[in-house]
Amino acid sequence: AQKVTQAQTEISVVEKEDVTLDCVYETRDTTYYLFWYKQPPSGELVFLIRRNSFDEQNEISGRYSWNFQKSTSSFNFTITASQVVDSAVYFCALKDGWAAGNKLTFGGGTRVLVKP
Amino acid sequence: EAQVTQNPRYLITVTGKKLTVTCSQNMNHEYMSWYRQDPGLGLRQIYYSMNVEVTDKGDVPEGYKVSRKEKRNFPLILESPSPNQTSLYFCASTQGQGNTEAFFGQGTRLTVV
Repeated sequence: AQKVTQAQTEISVVEKEDVTLDCVYETRDTTYYLFWYKQPPSGELVFLIRRNSFDEQNEISGRYSWNFQKSTSSFNFTITASQVVDSAVYFCALKDGWAAGNKLTFGGGTRVLVKP
Repeated sequence: EAQVTQNPRYLITVTGKKLTVTCSQNMNHEYMSWYRQDPGLGLRQIYYSMNVEVTDKGDVPEGYKVSRKEKRNFPLILESPSPNQTSLYFCASTQGQGNTEAFFGQGTRLTVV
């Protein structure tokens, strides 16, 4: 069965600090997909990134970067020079290659609080 | 604009009073799902649909029903709500399988008293 663990329930930082969110996953499939979503205080879910299991390239998008390591089953997310607008709950999610119903398995989420 | 629309956004109801949360998407997506979000548990899939008239249970289906009579609509029905169904609910739609991301509605915060 699939499982996603986000061990950090809450992280508090001061603006301009870097923050790294951990995500560890479990799956038996050799083909799978990983996602990160952001949930700001307004409540909606905002898609941030997807990664295929066969693509271990790291990715950078502005102040956001992702480190995918199959050897440790991790897909960590770093916010560089955090800003108050980054305050949100962040979810890591896993989808198996032929998941019934396109099911996403979510981690419990990490709340990030960026203080001015 | 591509979107998934849920209604209502907020709902307070009493135990046992049937309710329906509507969900509509304008992207012609085949797959639609309902999730519930609870603190520390992330989101869990309740039901999903692969196309019109094709639905199946997710991980936490007890106490819920769904229907898919039209491709764009996927309502969630609670025939006899109970307090343990107090949660934040999200509808999602996805085009095909694989690495396509899910588009989520704005969420419906349901309180059952």
